[in-house]
Amino acid sequence: NAGVTQTPKFQVLKTGQSMTLQCAQDMNHNSMYWYRQDPGMGLRLIYYSASEGTTDKGEVPNGYNVSRLNKREFSLRLESAAPSQTSVYFCASSPGQGHNYGYTFGSGTRLTVV
Amino acid sequence: AQSVSQHNHHVILSEAASLELGCNYSYGGTVNLFWYVQYPGQHLQLLLKYFSGDPLVKGIKGFEAEFIKSKFSFNLRKPSVQWSDTAEYFCAFSYSSASKIIFGSGTRLSIRP
Repeated sequence: NAGVTQTPKFQVLKTGQSMTLQCAQDMNHNSMYWYRQDPGMGLRLIYYSASEGTTDKGEVPNGYNVSRLNKREFSLRLESAAPSQTSVYFCASSPGQGHNYGYTFGSGTRLTVV
Repeated sequence: AQSVSQHNHHVILSEAASLELGCNYSYGGTVNLFWYVQYPGQHLQLLLKYFSGDPLVKGIKGFEAEFIKSKFSFNLRKPSVQWSDTAEYFCAFSYSSASKIIFGSGTRLSIRP
């Protein structure tokens, strides 16, 4: 059982470049989330998708876009990367709204923007 | 805004010492509470959760947490820590009208062998 799979695990970008972080889950979960983790700031929600076909902004959506491609996949796109987006990005999923279930996390993507 | 406070950023203990990590949330209604653990280089894993019932919750690896509603607290405890407990611990909560879980900033736990 793979759970939540994120690719890539590591990435270095130059300022202004774009990239897409991929996330897929095989647990038939309805809800999916993108968080960023920065030292001393915990996890901050970027975007989430409560169900297939819907997406909503979290606390820190600026500079990001998302696509809920289907029930399994939820991608995060950086259109023009900035050094402030250097972070570790985690994708998570839950059977329904997270408050009733808790999340299953992926292993993370460590992104460095130079 | 709803938030979670974790009182200690970094805790250093010796093996076999007892552990208590503080957590307070800010929300006046019914909550669901979580503790997650992140071992070095790994993703977050659920340690334990409280939804209702007995306010003393037991999780994996000998951890437990107590929900004290009057204090808005959900402190994590372990009677005797091991070197392998070195990790970062995140307290989190949610509530019925929220579409997400709100995380604290984390407490890094270092265990001296």
